[in-house]
Amino acid sequence: QSVLTQPPSVSAAPGQKVTISCSGSSSNIGNNYVSWYQQLPGTAPKLLIYDNNKRPSGIPDRFSGSKSGTSATLGITGLQTGDEADYYCGTWDSSLSAVFGGGTQLTVL
Amino acid sequence: EVQLVESGGGLIQPGGSLRLSCAASGFTVSSNYMSWVRQAPGKGLEWVSVIYSGGSTYYADSVKGRFTISRDNSKNTLYLQMNSLRAEDTAVYYCARGPNSGSYYYWGQGTLVTVSS
Repeated sequence: QSVLTQPPSVSAAPGQKVTISCSGSSSNIGNNYVSWYQQLPGTAPKLLIYDNNKRPSGIPDRFSGSKSGTSATLGITGLQTGDEADYYCGTWDSSLSAVFGGGTQLTVL
Repeated sequence: EVQLVESGGGLIQPGGSLRLSCAASGFTVSSNYMSWVRQAPGKGLEWVSVIYSGGSTYYADSVKGRFTISRDNSKNTLYLQMNSLRAEDTAVYYCARGPNSGSYYYWGQGTLVTVSS
């Protein structure tokens, strides 16, 4: 049981937009920055979004992040087959530990 | 270029010990927060431990008292000493630089630890 709650799966057609939600509490998301990671099969996680809505160098602007209260959302527009992956949200918790969501599997139909 | 390379994983019997290493290049381990994150087969990410630049260490409840995070500044390497291993410790273990504002920008490729008799 993960501390942060994500939908297990989402799907959309190529070229469409999809959003992935991440729900937490005041001890984590509510008082800390949220980050998002993409994990392709057999590879290490890759940072997509940090500080709620910032993109590291090299991440296309098709990926966006937002946060409101104790929830956060990852948005992906112009879906491509190469976007098929698992996506995780993460943040810091007042218990002095990092916490992650359970992951969302994105299928591009 | 920042690189993190883990090693030391393998098959170990329940109750055994293993030490993972994470060799860093392109930055100084002792000047950064450094963490271990694991992922059980087919499961999500689970934070394991962090060592702050000042030397303070913190652990997930699931490993507290069994795992020890440390670093060797002369070798610019991060370690995870794992004792009293259990089947539920089976996972790919990643080292990561951070958290920075709660984020992990750099990750290693991971090393697989399998605890089984």
